[in-house]
Amino acid sequence: AQRVTQPEKLLSVFKGAPVELKCNYSYSGSPELFWYVQYSRQRLQLLLRHISRESIKGFTADLNKGETSFHLKKPFAQEEDSAMYYCALKSYIQGAQKLVFGQGTRLTINP
Amino acid sequence: SAVISQKPSRDICQRGTSLTIQCQVDSQVTMMFWYRQQPGQSLTLIATANQGSEATYESGFVIDKFPISRPNLTFSTLTVSNMSPEDSSIYLCSVDAPLAAGTEQFFGPGTRLTVL
Repeated sequence: AQRVTQPEKLLSVFKGAPVELKCNYSYSGSPELFWYVQYSRQRLQLLLRHISRESIKGFTADLNKGETSFHLKKPFAQEEDSAMYYCALKSYIQGAQKLVFGQGTRLTINP
Repeated sequence: SAVISQKPSRDICQRGTSLTIQCQVDSQVTMMFWYRQQPGQSLTLIATANQGSEATYESGFVIDKFPISRPNLTFSTLTVSNMSPEDSSIYLCSVDAPLAAGTEQFFGPGTRLTVL
């Protein structure tokens, strides 16, 4: 069965410090993984996807199939990074697709 | 991209009643999804609603409780029937919209439902 695990419900770091939000997945097929972010009073939005291999707002995430992980990293956290972050896996079952979300990590950047 | 609006944005309802949530998209999309986010929890997919076919429900969700309509490519409704306090959640509409490369799933602002 497909599953996404974010072990940290809360994460707090100081401004300028590195940040890493952990995500592990379980999926029998070839995974498509995403990070979504929800800032205060805003809707859920896509931050980045693994197939794009892009850096958005200084964040990167590398898919590690050996460790079944897709951790989100940023070398220097900013206060505006404070938000709720969700890791998600796109699964395909019998021709139907769906996103499976992790529990989410609330990131707080302290000044 | 796709811009999604939902109505109502929030509501407080009495147990035993029903509420219909509307989802409007600014472009034609094939796949629409309805999610539930219970307090302090992650998003859980309720059903997938494709235009021209019956909605497909996830395990634990049934049509009698959450009937869905998808009359055209820009609109869908989700009804929460015979509500109980356990139905208090945020309900989110989402669409899979094509991009230049691949697709992206966009989310509406959500409908915050409180059942007394």
